[in-house]
This record gives sequence, structure tokens and C-alpha cells, in this order.
Amino acid sequence: GAVVSQHPSWVICKSGTSVKIECRSLDFQATTMFWYRQFPKQSLMLMATSNEGSKATYEQGVEKDKFLINHASLTLSTLTVTSAHPEDSSFYICSATGSYEQYFGPGTRLTVT
Amino acid sequence: DAKTTQPPSMDCAEGRAANLPCNHSTISGNEYVYWYRQIHSQGPQYIIHGLKNNETNEMASLIITEDRKSSTLILPHATLRDTAVYYCIVRVGYNAGNMLTFGGGTRLMVKP
Repeated sequence: GAVVSQHPSWVICKSGTSVKIECRSLDFQATTMFWYRQFPKQSLMLMATSNEGSKATYEQGVEKDKFLINHASLTLSTLTVTSAHPEDSSFYICSATGSYEQYFGPGTRLTVT
Repeated sequence: DAKTTQPPSMDCAEGRAANLPCNHSTISGNEYVYWYRQIHSQGPQYIIHGLKNNETNEMASLIITEDRKSSTLILPHATLRDTAVYYCIVRVGYNAGNMLTFGGGTRLMVKP
């Protein structure tokens, strides 16, 4: 199947700082990318849908000014967690859509201290 | 998208077939059944999908009832590496641009 990468795989940051997570489709062009968040022992929750060259669509309850999404090319989307707080500590997963399927990245574990 | 119901957990002996059920009684005619799994601390992995016919690939088989209100994912010879959370998802159309809505899934534990 197609490959989606995320960087970094894990990050620890101090409260109040910003963290950028990259999601790349390595062998295909992705017009749509999705960002999910997963807390321990819970399922994946969709945060936002990102289309190349346009503004992201955020799910209800997700602050667009806190979780900045940029999808500048067909192979790269970034999620920036601004002014991170301990409650933002979570596992962030992106997925990229190819022709028919969604392919998921390996996830980024964010810990805010 | 139609809601799915799965048992929260199941055990399976290594080498035996693992049969994971999913109820989707409100599925619409244009909704497909997808299965993904998530191994601990990894991103979800696509397994298989189908509309109404049974499907088989190198990973698993998908059996969909004739009324399409339920389905079963079959791992024919479960290994320890198949221990994961398995998600059954129904989604409109065959359009990768549609989002996936994850429910609770079934936590499959394959035991030696």
C-alpha cells in the first residue's frame, strides 16, 4: 500500500510553546489529508480535513486558531499546535487519500510538560 | 455514515481463526464496509472492504450478510502480531475523500 510518513514520531515540549507536525505522502499525491487525535484507551477522533490549496475544515469543538493546518502541496500537510498545554498531550495521526483509499501515518506522540 | 457495533474485546488462540463481528443495521445501499486495525501506538492499517459480496485478500476475508446488516472479518490463522484493535467502519461511496468515523473497535488479543 501507499506510504504516509509523519515527523516527528514523538515530541516533548514545554507548556506555552508551539509544535509542528508534518505529514507526507511519499509515493502518491494526496488532495485530501485528515488529522486525527487519539487519547489513551480511546478511539481516533477527527480533528480536521485538509484540502490542498484551501483552508482546512475543522470538526466541532476543535479550535482552528490553536491547531493550525497548512496543506501547501499535494504531498505535505502540517499541523501546528500553538501555545500547547498539558491537555494537548495526545497521539496525533494523519491520513492521506489516494485514488480510492485512506492511508494512515504512524502517528506522533506529543507530550506537553 | 451508519453507526457500527462491535464487541469491545475478544481473545483468540494463536494459529486459530479469529472471527470479528460487526453490526451495521442502518447501513445504506451506497455504504461500503471497511475494516482497519490499529496495533498499539501505530497508525491504523487498512485491511479490507466490501459492498455486498464476500471479499478476500492476503490479510483477511470479509463476510457480509445478505441483508448487509452485519459482517464478519476473518483472520484465518491468527498470529501474535495480529493483536490489535480492529475497527469496522461504514462509509458512503467509494470515495477516498470521505472521512472515516472510528467507533470503539474490538480489542483482539491473540494468545500463545
